Amino acid sequence: KAGVTQTPRYLIKTRGQQVTLSCSPISGHRSVSWYQQTPGQGLQFLFEYFSETQRNKGNFPGRFSGRQFSNSRSEMNVSTLELGDSALYLCASSLSGDSTDTQYFGPGTRLTVL
Amino acid sequence: DQQVKQNSPSLSVQEGRISILNCDYTNSMFDYFLWYKKYPAEGPTFLISISSIKDKNEDGRFTVFLNKSAKHLSLHIVPSQPGDSAVYFCAGDDKIIFGKGTRLHILP
Repeated sequence: KAGVTQTPRYLIKTRGQQVTLSCSPISGHRSVSWYQQTPGQGLQFLFEYFSETQRNKGNFPGRFSGRQFSNSRSEMNVSTLELGDSALYLCASSLSGDSTDTQYFGPGTRLTVL
Repeated sequence: DQQVKQNSPSLSVQEGRISILNCDYTNSMFDYFLWYKKYPAEGPTFLISISSIKDKNEDGRFTVFLNKSAKHLSLHIVPSQPGDSAVYFCAGDDKIIFGKGTRLHILP
């Protein structure tokens, strides 16, 4: 079974631009969560989607948004990029998103904002 | 407000000895905890979990202990192996709350 895939793996943008990251979950998984990882803050939850609906949202500004498609693939968008948005963005999928459900993470997209 | 804290950013342990990684939490409503392991350039992988109704869960070389009164959990790795060198994250409740991670170095 193929794992979680994320594209692109690396991205360089400049301040003020916007970016879209993509995540394809494991086949059959309906929950997709997004996390931001930075050296200072560790892993921080952005949002979770289940059946095309945002089910949970972390404490991030409205510049960070996401969506999920009917095939469970998900995208996240960051508008008006800031230097502090440079981070590793991870997505994780699980069958139902229940707390006891194992999450499987993708390799991440490394975003650098110049 | 950090609800899950891993106070040791790094830890070095001799190969073959026991590695103990610690995690403290503040939210007594958490009812499920997980540990993840992360290698560079890879996403975290699930390692072991524990429900709040238990105080210990074991899986091979990995054991997680939960002390609810102290709001503390720990991950024990025995014996430590070179492949255990990684960053370890603990997470609480619905996996939304992660600690900042502890980098474990296994020394030859």
